[in-house]
Amino acid sequence: DTAVSQTPKYLVTQMGNDKSIKCEQNLGHDTMYWYKQDSKKFLKIMFSYNNKELIINETVPNRFSPKSPDKAHLNLHINSLELGDSAVYFCASGGTYNEQFFGPGTRLTVL
Amino acid sequence: RKEVEQDPGPFNVPEGATVAFNCTYSNSASQSFFWYRQDCRKEPKLLMSVYSSGNEDGRFTAQLNRASQYISLLIRDSKLSDSATYLCVVNALHTGNQFYFGTGTSLTVIP
Repeated sequence: DTAVSQTPKYLVTQMGNDKSIKCEQNLGHDTMYWYKQDSKKFLKIMFSYNNKELIINETVPNRFSPKSPDKAHLNLHINSLELGDSAVYFCASGGTYNEQFFGPGTRLTVL
Repeated sequence: RKEVEQDPGPFNVPEGATVAFNCTYSNSASQSFFWYRQDCRKEPKLLMSVYSSGNEDGRFTAQLNRASQYISLLIRDSKLSDSATYLCVVNALHTGNQFYFGTGTSLTVIP
């Protein structure tokens, strides 16, 4: 059983397109996160949701919009993709002792 | 100043060696500390939490020094399978339970 799953694993798209990444966790956690890992491997938080409510919204272009239909899902929609959006996007969910469990990542390439 | 700083390495050590990584954090109000491991093209995975009194898990020992605001990870008897990037992570409740990741320290264990 996959604890945190993301789809798609790879996403190659043209500049200007709109795309979505889906994330689901079956761990029963209340908190979910989206992170971006750039080419220099720096992992930076983008958003955090607790029980469907937005908690953290870092300085991210408003082209990025998270949506949490229920506490087991946190999707990321990106409008008007730009070259600089190319990165690996990780979803994570938060455990009781603050540990985080990460999904396998979505490798986004914008051409 | 970055919230969490690590020496990026790389550290190249022979099998059986002992290697130590340090990490410093800038905010004295930080409350939870972790070491994560990230293999190439994979998601970060929790290696161990770091407790104030220090803690050990097999060949791995983590220490926290609140006065100097640094965290360390010691790996004894290095194995080839220890080759990975080790990420220092700090959690700060004062910023909405946000997690700050270091850029990671790269370790390669050589046969």
